[in-house]
Amino acid sequence: EVQLLESGGGLVQPGGSLRLSCAASGFTFSDYAMTWVRQAPGQGLEWVSVIRGVNDDTYYADSVKGRFTISRDNSRNTLSLQMNSLRAEDTAIYYCAKGSGGYHPFDYWGQGTLVTVSS
Amino acid sequence: DIVMTQTPLSSPVTLGQPASISCRSSQSLVDSDGNTYLSWLQQRPGQPPRLLIYKVSNRFSGVPDRFSGSGTGTDFTLRISRVEAEDVGVYYCMQATQFPRTFGGGTKVEIK
Repeated sequence: EVQLLESGGGLVQPGGSLRLSCAASGFTFSDYAMTWVRQAPGQGLEWVSVIRGVNDDTYYADSVKGRFTISRDNSRNTLSLQMNSLRAEDTAIYYCAKGSGGYHPFDYWGQGTLVTVSS
Repeated sequence: DIVMTQTPLSSPVTLGQPASISCRSSQSLVDSDGNTYLSWLQQRPGQPPRLLIYKVSNRFSGVPDRFSGSGTGTDFTLRISRVEAEDVGVYYCMQATQFPRTFGGGTKVEIK
């Protein structure tokens, strides 16, 4: 059974940093790209970043480029998102999803972890 | 970026009646590999999104056959043949032909 479990969310002040993790199980982690998607309170879904499974190519939304860094540890089946210079508008539930959405659709999602940026 | 536009914003439906959601993209979603990477996701209240349909019309494992997807190029439709109480939630279309991936604004399906 595929499982994705996010952790690391919390309350952080503007300008602060936070590191999210997503523990994956039930599939061959290194075979798949992994994606972060976020959802601000009461809003729709926003794609954040993706990292490929094999060559570690990464892509970012313009809204987070230069501030967020996605990474993965295939030996530990873990996806991470380092978030720096956080802003109020980064407040959201952050979901990790298996796949890149295209050839491998977002077929499994975690329950999400809430990040609140506020003073 | 590809803009995804969904209509309607809200769809009040009687139980057992059909529902239809439209999604239009600002450019063709046909990829260079010939595939069209348009997915539909369902988000029930308080839950993470769930994949319903991928590549326009392919139902994901475990998705009831009352859900169907269709369309080509820039115009796509999700149909629910007979709405059940468990179908209440917000539905999103999403394109994965280009980066950044982009989502429609969502359509709320509720029971009349």
